[in-house]
This record gives sequence, structure tokens and C-alpha cells, in this order.
Amino acid sequence: DAGVTQSPTHLIKTRGQQVTLRCSPKSGHDTVSWYQQALGQGPQFIFQYYEEEERQRGNFPDRFSGHQFPNYSSELNVNALLLGDSALYLCASSKTGTGRQYFGPGTRLTVT
Amino acid sequence: QKEVEQNSGPLSVPEGAIASLNCTYSDRVSQSFFWYRQYSGKSPELIMSIYSNGDKEDGRFTAQLNKASQYVSLLIRDSQPSDSATYLCAVNINGYSGGGADGLTFGKGTHLIIQP
Repeated sequence: DAGVTQSPTHLIKTRGQQVTLRCSPKSGHDTVSWYQQALGQGPQFIFQYYEEEERQRGNFPDRFSGHQFPNYSSELNVNALLLGDSALYLCASSKTGTGRQYFGPGTRLTVT
Repeated sequence: QKEVEQNSGPLSVPEGAIASLNCTYSDRVSQSFFWYRQYSGKSPELIMSIYSNGDKEDGRFTAQLNKASQYVSLLIRDSQPSDSATYLCAVNINGYSGGGADGLTFGKGTHLIIQP
């Protein structure tokens, strides 16, 4: 049973560019949440997708947007990258009704 | 502002002893509580979930919840060097108990070191 997968593993971008990160949830899961984790900090909630709609959003600017596809996979898009966007981006999947979220390996984004 | 507070440590515990990790949260509406373990350079791994007051045991791990005091703890019995990691406490944001899956608010984590 495959767990949560994310791609790419690492990414280096330049300030002002745009980036797209991808996530495939664990089999049987229908909800995808995205988190940003800076070094030495706990993950911070960006947003959550369910039934192809953004259901909940954390305190992140509109530069952060997302999408969920009919197969429950999801994308995170970040526009106009800032140096401060450098972080580990984590995707977590869950099954409606359980509350328990399982994380993928993450994408390490470096903005130069 | 919903907050989750943890002592950042490091917390050093001898091998074989009980490690006790603590967490407080600010939002009384929170209903679901989780402990994650994160090894250096890896992603968080869910180790315990707890939804009601009292204790919940799973192997060497025991989670304790006291909603009146807004306090969650994790006990690790017979600590092993492989338990050395950062332990993250997380609570759901909107206070729904298991319905759907709410976004989680995390503490900064406690760095645990088990000394052989």
C-alpha cells in the first residue's frame, strides 16, 4: 500500500519565479492538506482540499494557491517567490471522518 | 490566535527510562490532538491520536489529555536511542471531532535525546 508521495524532492528557484509542487495521497484518502515547515519550526498549515475545493485556509497570502484533481491528487502553486518561501513543503492526506493526517516525504524548496 | 506551546528542549533521558513530553494549547474548542515524531531531515510521522480526556496507550507510548487544563502529554516507556527525534504536538484548528480532517496547528516541537 503506497503512502503519500510528493514531487519533486528538491527544487531551487529564483526570486520572482513561480513553482508547482505535487502530491498523491495515500490509497483510500480523499483529503489533502499542505504545510510549510521552516527550519527549527513546526509545520504551518497552508490550506486543505476536499472534493476538489479549498475547504480551509491558514494565514498565507494569495500567492499560495492549490488544486485538487478528481483522483484526489493535489498541487500547490506559489507565485512571485520570495526568499522567505524557502522551506520544506509537506503534503498530508487523510480520510474524511478520521482526522488523522499522514505526511509525505516533503519537497525542499530553496529560493535564491 | 490559536497556539500550541512546547518546550523546545533538548530533553535528555537515559536509555530505559520514561520520557515525558508536554504540550499546552490555547483554543478550548480544539477536539483532536496528535503527536508526531520527526527525525532530522525527514517528514513528521503520526504516532498517537487522542480525542477524549484520559489516557490512551499504544505499545510503549501513552498519550494523556486534560481538556480542562488544555494540556496534552506523551509518555515514552523504556526509551531507546531510536526514540531520539523531535516530537511535535498538533491540535485541530476548527474544533471538529473527526469530521472531515481539519488543518492542524503544530507546536515547535521538543527535541528528545536518549542517552545510551
